[in-house]
Amino acid sequence: NAGVTQTPKFRILKIGQSMTLQCTQDMNHNYMYWYRQDPGMGLKLIYYSVGAGITDKGEVPNGYNVSRSTTEDFPLRLELAAPSQTSVYFCASSRQSPNTGELFFGEGSRLTVL
Amino acid sequence: DQQVKQNSPSLSVQEGRISILNCDYTNSMFDYFLWYKKYPAEGPTFLISISSIKDKNEDGRFTVFLNKSAKHLSLHIVPSQPGDSAVYFCAASAPGTYKYIFGTGTRLKVLA
Repeated sequence: NAGVTQTPKFRILKIGQSMTLQCTQDMNHNYMYWYRQDPGMGLKLIYYSVGAGITDKGEVPNGYNVSRSTTEDFPLRLELAAPSQTSVYFCASSRQSPNTGELFFGEGSRLTVL
Repeated sequence: DQQVKQNSPSLSVQEGRISILNCDYTNSMFDYFLWYKKYPAEGPTFLISISSIKDKNEDGRFTVFLNKSAKHLSLHIVPSQPGDSAVYFCAASAPGTYKYIFGTGTRLKVLA
């Protein structure tokens, strides 16, 4: 019962570097989400997906890209890392659409950009 | 524009007493609300939810109240236990939007 798995758990990047945060869920959920959590700011939605091949922007998409080629995987790509992207990133999934179901979260990926 | 607000960043409560965490929202289209608990270095975990067709939902020690006219919901924890010490987030969603909007969180500390 792995649920939502995120890798890596920790990463330090230099300004301008690129990286991909991986997210996999084994619950056959259609809906997947990426959030970032900054101190005192709660959780902000970066991107979401309602199924394989379908993605859309959330509240704070700038500087990020996503893809959803399979139901299980929803990677988040940072192309040119900036200090403002230092944050804790959470991937989440849900079986049902919002208004009927809950989100299941991964344990988070802490990213520092220096 | 913060559509979901938790105006109390922190709250301390004695063990055994009631904890009341508050959440306000501005978007009248929101019709489904959830509460999450988060421990340090872990992902948020689901606690309880409420649909706008109800004004109360209970699950064990946790009760959520919804006041639609005031655009306000609250989470009551009775009795509070030291293990309840965590950050609590409320979240809301509107029909057809496919996303949840989270508040900024309230850190609850239950004192033994």
